[in-house]
Amino acid sequence: DGGITQSPKYLFRKEGQNVTLSCEQNLNHDAMYWYRQDPGQGLRLIYYSQIVNDFQKGDIAEGYSVSREKKESFPLTVTSAQKNPTAFYLCASTKAGVTEAFFGQGTRLTVV
Amino acid sequence: GENVEQHPSTLSVQEGDSAVIKCTYSDSASNYFPWYKQELGKRPQLIIDIRSNVGEKKDQRIAVTLNKTAKHFSLHITETQPEDSAVYFCAAAGSGSARQLTFGSGTQLTVLP
Repeated sequence: DGGITQSPKYLFRKEGQNVTLSCEQNLNHDAMYWYRQDPGQGLRLIYYSQIVNDFQKGDIAEGYSVSREKKESFPLTVTSAQKNPTAFYLCASTKAGVTEAFFGQGTRLTVV
Repeated sequence: GENVEQHPSTLSVQEGDSAVIKCTYSDSASNYFPWYKQELGKRPQLIIDIRSNVGEKKDQRIAVTLNKTAKHFSLHITETQPEDSAVYFCAAAGSGSARQLTFGSGTQLTVLP
């Protein structure tokens, strides 16, 4: 069953902690993306990666970090430098040259 | 970079009526314009898309129109049903090498029975 999987579905973080959100795809897609979704603000791009071992900052990269060691995986770390991390995080992937994005089911992160 | 504006932010229609959502974009080099539907608590899913070499595209009750000169595109849903209630996002592909999508802020559509 091909698709893009995010885990966990819900995540709680204490202030000052780093947390890592997982994103795995078996679609053989080249590009992967992380978006943040807040009410009334649509989807804002955090980081994206076109190929393994390469990634670029999106519009709101401050306080986040990523890695792309494998084609299938694109984990996102929310660091303690992110001052307002409570949000719904969506991972997506696309084929090279084709821009339809397939989304994971999302991770809802809450700071407690 | 690309900027996409979407209106209205909320839209209520009676079942059976039509719904129209409009978006404008800033980058004249953008050439791919998808629409996504997101039901509560679920992932966004593509419902229709259009490329800049086409002015209109239909798929059953939904259609999208594109005006490249004015840099705007619209989603039309006819004969709305309660299951059409969701948040709808427009997007545009930027002109950079990554061709990442820039999304509008979303429209909450409510179809009243």
